Amino acid sequence: DTGVSQNPRHKITKRGQNVTFRCDPISEHNRLYWYRQTLGQGPEFLTYFQNEAQLEKSRLLSDRFSAERPKGSFSTLEIQRTEQGDSAMYLCASSLEWGASGAHNEQFFGPGTRLTVL
Amino acid sequence: AQSVTQPDIHITVSEGASLELRCNYSYGATPYLFWYVQSPGQGLQLLLKYFSGDTLVQGIKGFEAEFKRSQSSFNLRKPSVHWGDAAEYFCAVGAAGNMLTFGGGTRLMVKP
Repeated sequence: DTGVSQNPRHKITKRGQNVTFRCDPISEHNRLYWYRQTLGQGPEFLTYFQNEAQLEKSRLLSDRFSAERPKGSFSTLEIQRTEQGDSAMYLCASSLEWGASGAHNEQFFGPGTRLTVL
Repeated sequence: AQSVTQPDIHITVSEGASLELRCNYSYGATPYLFWYVQSPGQGLQLLLKYFSGDTLVQGIKGFEAEFKRSQSSFNLRKPSVHWGDAAEYFCAVGAAGNMLTFGGGTRLMVKP
Protein backbone atom coordinates (compact mmCIF):
# COMPACT_ATOMS: atom_id res chain seq x y z
CA ASP A 1 0.00 0.00 0.00
CA THR A 2 1.36 3.40 -0.94
CA GLY A 3 -0.43 5.31 1.81
CA VAL A 4 -2.93 8.16 1.58
CA SER A 5 -2.84 10.04 -1.71
CA GLN A 6 -4.30 13.43 -2.57
CA ASN A 7 -4.88 15.16 -5.88
CA PRO A 8 -4.09 17.69 -7.04
CA ARG A 9 -1.07 18.63 -4.93
CA HIS A 10 -1.44 22.28 -5.84
CA LYS A 11 -4.41 24.31 -7.07
CA ILE A 12 -4.46 27.97 -8.00
CA THR A 13 -7.85 29.48 -8.67
CA LYS A 14 -9.54 32.83 -8.94
CA ARG A 15 -11.93 34.09 -6.32
CA GLY A 16 -15.45 32.91 -6.99
CA GLN A 17 -14.49 29.71 -8.79
CA ASN A 18 -15.35 26.22 -7.55
CA VAL A 19 -12.63 23.68 -6.75
CA THR A 20 -12.69 19.98 -5.95
CA PHE A 21 -10.03 17.91 -4.23
CA ARG A 22 -9.74 14.15 -4.07
CA CYS A 23 -8.39 11.88 -1.35
CA ASP A 24 -7.67 8.17 -1.70
CA PRO A 25 -7.23 6.57 1.72
CA ILE A 26 -5.32 3.45 2.68
CA SER A 27 -7.45 0.69 1.23
CA GLU A 28 -8.49 -1.13 4.41
CA HIS A 29 -9.24 2.06 6.36
CA ASN A 30 -12.92 2.78 6.84
CA ARG A 31 -12.46 6.19 8.48
CA LEU A 32 -11.48 9.25 6.47
CA TYR A 33 -10.81 12.74 7.83
CA TRP A 34 -10.37 16.20 6.28
CA TYR A 35 -8.32 18.93 7.96
CA ARG A 36 -7.32 22.44 6.93
CA GLN A 37 -3.94 23.95 7.74
CA THR A 38 -3.18 27.63 7.26
CA LEU A 39 0.34 29.01 7.23
CA GLY A 40 2.02 28.84 10.61
CA GLN A 41 -0.84 26.97 12.24
CA GLY A 42 -1.63 23.41 13.17
CA PRO A 43 -4.22 21.44 11.20
CA GLU A 44 -7.87 22.08 12.07
CA PHE A 45 -10.53 19.40 11.80
CA LEU A 46 -13.18 19.86 9.12
CA THR A 47 -15.12 16.60 8.85
CA TYR A 48 -14.88 12.82 8.95
CA PHE A 49 -16.52 9.78 7.43
CA GLN A 50 -16.98 6.23 8.56
CA ASN A 51 -17.43 4.29 5.36
CA GLU A 52 -19.82 6.46 3.30
CA ALA A 53 -21.48 8.16 6.28
CA GLN A 54 -20.38 11.67 7.21
CA LEU A 55 -20.43 11.52 11.02
CA GLU A 56 -19.18 14.89 12.14
CA LYS A 57 -18.68 18.36 10.68
CA SER A 58 -16.80 21.25 12.21
CA ARG A 59 -18.27 24.73 12.40
CA LEU A 60 -15.36 25.67 10.12
CA LEU A 61 -17.15 23.82 7.33
CA SER A 62 -19.33 26.58 5.93
CA ASP A 63 -22.18 26.04 3.49
CA ARG A 64 -19.75 26.58 0.63
CA PHE A 65 -17.90 23.40 1.58
CA SER A 66 -19.19 19.93 0.85
CA ALA A 67 -17.52 16.58 1.29
CA GLU A 68 -18.57 13.20 -0.02
CA ARG A 69 -17.42 9.62 0.17
CA PRO A 70 -19.94 7.94 -2.09
CA LYS A 71 -18.74 4.34 -2.00
CA GLY A 72 -16.82 4.39 1.22
CA SER A 73 -13.50 4.52 -0.58
CA PHE A 74 -12.18 7.80 -1.99
CA SER A 75 -13.52 11.16 -0.86
CA THR A 76 -13.95 14.55 -2.49
CA LEU A 77 -13.98 17.98 -0.89
CA GLU A 78 -15.60 20.75 -2.93
CA ILE A 79 -15.39 24.45 -2.20
CA GLN A 80 -17.89 26.62 -4.03
CA ARG A 81 -17.41 30.34 -4.71
CA THR A 82 -13.89 30.33 -3.31
CA GLU A 83 -12.69 33.24 -1.21
CA GLN A 84 -9.15 34.37 -0.49
CA GLY A 85 -9.58 33.15 3.09
CA ASP A 86 -9.93 29.61 1.76
CA SER A 87 -6.24 29.61 0.80
CA ALA A 88 -4.70 26.83 2.87
CA MET A 89 -3.35 23.29 2.81
CA TYR A 90 -6.15 20.74 2.83
CA LEU A 91 -5.07 17.49 4.48
CA CYS A 92 -6.73 14.12 4.30
CA ALA A 93 -6.14 11.31 6.78
CA SER A 94 -7.45 7.80 7.16
CA SER A 95 -7.60 5.23 9.93
CA LEU A 96 -9.11 1.97 11.00
CA GLU A 97 -12.25 2.12 13.06
CA TRP A 98 -11.49 2.43 16.73
CA GLY A 99 -10.69 -0.93 18.22
CA ALA A 100 -10.67 -2.76 14.89
CA SER A 101 -8.20 -5.64 14.84
CA GLY A 102 -7.07 -4.65 18.30
CA ALA A 103 -5.63 -1.45 16.89
CA HIS A 104 -6.04 2.03 18.18
CA ASN A 105 -7.11 4.88 16.01
CA GLU A 106 -3.88 6.06 14.41
CA GLN A 107 -4.50 8.52 11.59
CA PHE A 108 -2.26 8.40 8.53
CA PHE A 109 -2.00 11.65 6.61
CA GLY A 110 -1.65 12.36 2.93
CA PRO A 111 0.69 15.01 1.49
CA GLY A 112 -2.09 17.59 1.23
CA THR A 113 -3.50 19.85 -1.48
CA ARG A 114 -2.29 23.42 -1.34
CA LEU A 115 -5.00 25.84 -2.49
CA THR A 116 -4.21 29.41 -3.48
CA VAL A 117 -7.15 31.71 -4.20
CA LEU A 118 -6.20 34.85 -6.13
CA ALA B 1 -13.66 21.38 24.56
CA GLN B 2 -10.24 19.91 24.02
CA SER B 3 -7.25 22.10 23.26
CA VAL B 4 -3.49 21.83 22.86
CA THR B 5 -0.85 24.47 23.56
CA GLN B 6 2.69 24.36 22.29
CA PRO B 7 4.34 27.30 24.05
CA ASP B 8 7.45 27.44 21.86
CA ILE B 9 6.87 28.58 18.29
CA HIS B 10 10.53 28.26 17.30
CA ILE B 11 13.41 26.36 18.88
CA THR B 12 17.01 26.24 17.70
CA VAL B 13 19.41 23.61 18.99
CA SER B 14 22.90 22.59 18.02
CA GLU B 15 23.42 19.26 16.33
CA GLY B 16 24.14 16.62 18.96
CA ALA B 17 22.40 18.55 21.71
CA SER B 18 19.35 17.27 23.54
CA LEU B 19 15.86 18.45 22.71
CA GLU B 20 12.62 18.91 24.59
CA LEU B 21 9.47 20.24 22.96
CA ARG B 22 6.65 21.21 25.27
CA CYS B 23 3.00 20.31 24.91
CA ASN B 24 0.13 21.07 27.27
CA TYR B 25 -3.37 19.80 26.70
CA SER B 26 -6.85 20.35 28.02
CA TYR B 27 -9.26 17.44 27.85
CA GLY B 28 -12.05 16.30 30.07
CA ALA B 29 -11.36 12.59 30.07
CA THR B 30 -8.40 10.31 29.55
CA PRO B 31 -6.58 11.85 26.60
CA TYR B 32 -5.16 10.07 23.62
CA LEU B 33 -1.99 11.98 22.77
CA PHE B 34 0.14 12.12 19.65
CA TRP B 35 3.22 13.79 18.28
CA TYR B 36 3.50 14.32 14.53
CA VAL B 37 6.35 15.75 12.45
CA GLN B 38 5.93 17.69 9.22
CA SER B 39 8.78 18.42 6.85
CA PRO B 40 8.40 21.06 4.11
CA GLY B 41 6.14 19.81 1.35
CA GLN B 42 5.38 16.62 3.24
CA GLY B 43 2.38 15.31 5.08
CA LEU B 44 2.28 14.63 8.78
CA GLN B 45 4.18 11.62 10.05
CA LEU B 46 3.34 10.03 13.38
CA LEU B 47 6.30 9.96 15.77
CA LEU B 48 4.61 8.37 18.76
CA LYS B 49 1.33 8.00 20.60
CA TYR B 50 0.03 7.51 24.11
CA PHE B 51 -3.21 5.74 24.93
CA SER B 52 -2.67 4.16 28.33
CA GLY B 53 -0.15 2.27 30.42
CA ASP B 54 3.48 3.26 30.73
CA THR B 55 3.68 7.04 30.76
CA LEU B 56 7.03 7.07 28.93
CA VAL B 57 6.48 6.13 25.31
CA GLN B 58 9.08 5.44 22.68
CA GLY B 59 8.65 6.45 19.09
CA ILE B 60 10.44 6.41 15.79
CA LYS B 61 13.68 8.24 14.97
CA GLY B 62 14.87 8.07 18.60
CA PHE B 63 12.08 10.26 20.02
CA GLU B 64 10.29 9.65 23.31
CA ALA B 65 7.56 11.46 25.20
CA GLU B 66 6.36 11.44 28.76
CA PHE B 67 2.73 11.79 29.79
CA LYS B 68 2.27 13.68 33.06
CA ARG B 69 -1.37 13.80 34.06
CA SER B 70 -0.77 16.14 37.01
CA GLN B 71 0.79 18.72 34.70
CA SER B 72 -1.45 18.03 31.68
CA SER B 73 1.71 17.71 29.65
CA PHE B 74 3.10 15.41 26.98
CA ASN B 75 6.59 16.69 26.21
CA LEU B 76 8.67 15.29 23.39
CA ARG B 77 12.36 14.56 23.92
CA LYS B 78 15.38 13.38 21.99
CA PRO B 79 18.80 12.89 23.58
CA SER B 80 20.84 13.92 20.54
CA VAL B 81 19.44 15.93 17.66
CA HIS B 82 20.50 15.39 14.05
CA TRP B 83 20.32 18.00 11.30
CA GLY B 84 17.71 15.85 9.61
CA ASP B 85 15.37 16.46 12.56
CA ALA B 86 14.77 20.06 11.46
CA ALA B 87 11.04 20.24 10.80
CA GLU B 88 7.77 21.34 12.37
CA TYR B 89 6.44 19.29 15.24
CA PHE B 90 2.80 19.07 16.24
CA CYS B 91 1.26 17.73 19.42
CA ALA B 92 -2.33 16.53 19.18
CA VAL B 93 -5.06 15.21 21.44
CA GLY B 94 -7.83 12.97 20.25
CA ALA B 95 -11.05 11.48 21.48
CA ALA B 96 -11.52 7.79 20.89
CA GLY B 97 -11.90 7.27 17.18
CA ASN B 98 -12.65 10.86 16.37
CA MET B 99 -10.98 14.04 15.31
CA LEU B 100 -7.58 15.24 16.41
CA THR B 101 -7.06 18.68 17.92
CA PHE B 102 -3.59 20.00 17.12
CA GLY B 103 -1.39 22.56 18.77
CA GLY B 104 0.05 25.42 16.77
CA GLY B 105 3.33 23.61 16.20
CA THR B 106 6.98 24.16 17.09
CA ARG B 107 9.48 24.79 14.32
CA LEU B 108 12.80 23.16 15.10
CA MET B 109 15.99 24.48 13.56
CA VAL B 110 19.28 22.60 13.97
CA LYS B 111 22.61 24.44 13.95
CA PRO B 112 25.63 22.59 12.61
